[in-house]
Amino acid sequence: DAGVIQSPRHEVTEMGQEVTLRCKPISGHNSLFWYRQTMMRGLELLIYFNNNVPIDDSGMPEDRFSAKMPNASFSTLKIQPSEPRDSAVYFCASSIGTSGSTDTQYFGPGTRLTVL
Amino acid sequence: GQQVMQIPQYQHVQEGEDFTTYCNSSTTLSNIQWYKQRPGGHPVFLIQLVKSGEVKKQKRLTFQFGEAKKNSSLHITATQTTDVGTYFCANGAGSYQLTFGKGTKLSVIP
Repeated sequence: DAGVIQSPRHEVTEMGQEVTLRCKPISGHNSLFWYRQTMMRGLELLIYFNNNVPIDDSGMPEDRFSAKMPNASFSTLKIQPSEPRDSAVYFCASSIGTSGSTDTQYFGPGTRLTVL
Repeated sequence: GQQVMQIPQYQHVQEGEDFTTYCNSSTTLSNIQWYKQRPGGHPVFLIQLVKSGEVKKQKRLTFQFGEAKKNSSLHITATQTTDVGTYFCANGAGSYQLTFGKGTKLSVIP
């Protein structure tokens, strides 16, 4: 079975450019999470969706970050404009998300973003 | 979810030695999940603990949930080089989301 799919795996861009990260959750999963991981701050939850609806976006750093989930099989995280401090590994994760309890989260391989 | 504190931040052990990482909270936790992230990899689910005093084993790994549900531990017996990675505990507050600790990075010296 395919796990969570993320693209691109690596992204190098220049400051000020727009960056779009993509995620395909596991089929049948109703919850989707975007995380950012850095050495300094660890694994931070940016936003999560349930049934394609954003539930909590309090972790989104600032207005430069936006996330969408137009359907159950696709989500994007966009940074516009990007800054060097956005350099990190961005993970997407999904879970079944129907029981109301805390389900196992399945992580994608991550996108390593470098902003020069 | 409630914040969880993990100690130690780093641990270096000789291969064959035991290793323990601790996860602590100031408030009662509804459940604890443990994840492992290999270097360059992504977090992978290991186990979930729900009941007070619960103990679960996976081969050389032993997971415990404290009686007061305010702490948890992961113990690895006779570490191997394949155990290298960062171990995270995560608190689920009965909602869909998890709050991850900072993790304990384990290095195993062959």
